[in-house]
Amino acid sequence: DIVMTQTPLSLSVTPGQPASISCKSSQSLLHSDGKTYLYWYLQKAGQPPQLLIYEVSNRFSGVPDRFSGSGSGTDFTLKISRVEAEDVGVYYCMQSIQLPLSFGQGTKLEIK
Amino acid sequence: QVQLVQSGAEVKKPGSSVKVSCKASGGTFNSYAISWVRQAPGQGLEWMGVIIPMFGTANYAQKFQGRVTITADESTSTAYMELSSLRSDDTAVYYCARRIMGGTTYDYWGQGTLVTVSS
Repeated sequence: DIVMTQTPLSLSVTPGQPASISCKSSQSLLHSDGKTYLYWYLQKAGQPPQLLIYEVSNRFSGVPDRFSGSGSGTDFTLKISRVEAEDVGVYYCMQSIQLPLSFGQGTKLEIK
Repeated sequence: QVQLVQSGAEVKKPGSSVKVSCKASGGTFNSYAISWVRQAPGQGLEWMGVIIPMFGTANYAQKFQGRVTITADESTSTAYMELSSLRSDDTAVYYCARRIMGGTTYDYWGQGTLVTVSS
């Protein structure tokens, strides 16, 4: 099974400042089809996860451009260029190259 | 607009079973894969299994093998997750999520169903 490891597990950020979350997988997420099966979700309190980024770096419909994803192979990063109050919640990375699907432990973002 | 609407909260006794439904609208159900993911209180996300309604085949996480059954009814565009031999540590919010066949992304999720297991 692929293990997903996120760091840090919590972040406290001043509005307008950047934030960065790392996600490392125990195996490469690069598929033979050329796609990398790494996703980022944000789960706000009391809500289901909402998709932010798919296939490493593609923003999902409606996601603000202050969110960006990068990385390759086993190392990935989610960046928020300027954190806003509405960005509070828990961020998860997820891999779907192989069953079982697996998630990082989550990174809790709070506003200072 | 794609929507996945799940059944309501359940309270179950230890040893019993629960069946949660996930009704899809706004898309073509038989072009989906539906996964079930659960989240215990204050914990992270845990994948349970997936079904491809077009084929009727399901794959399960080893942890839940023998206790979980995922099915789908194309006529009603509804997927089901049944978990048996419930224990207190099965108390969680259960989510369904869809991926379009041929795609890679779980883009839409149900609102979640809280299952509480308590004597």
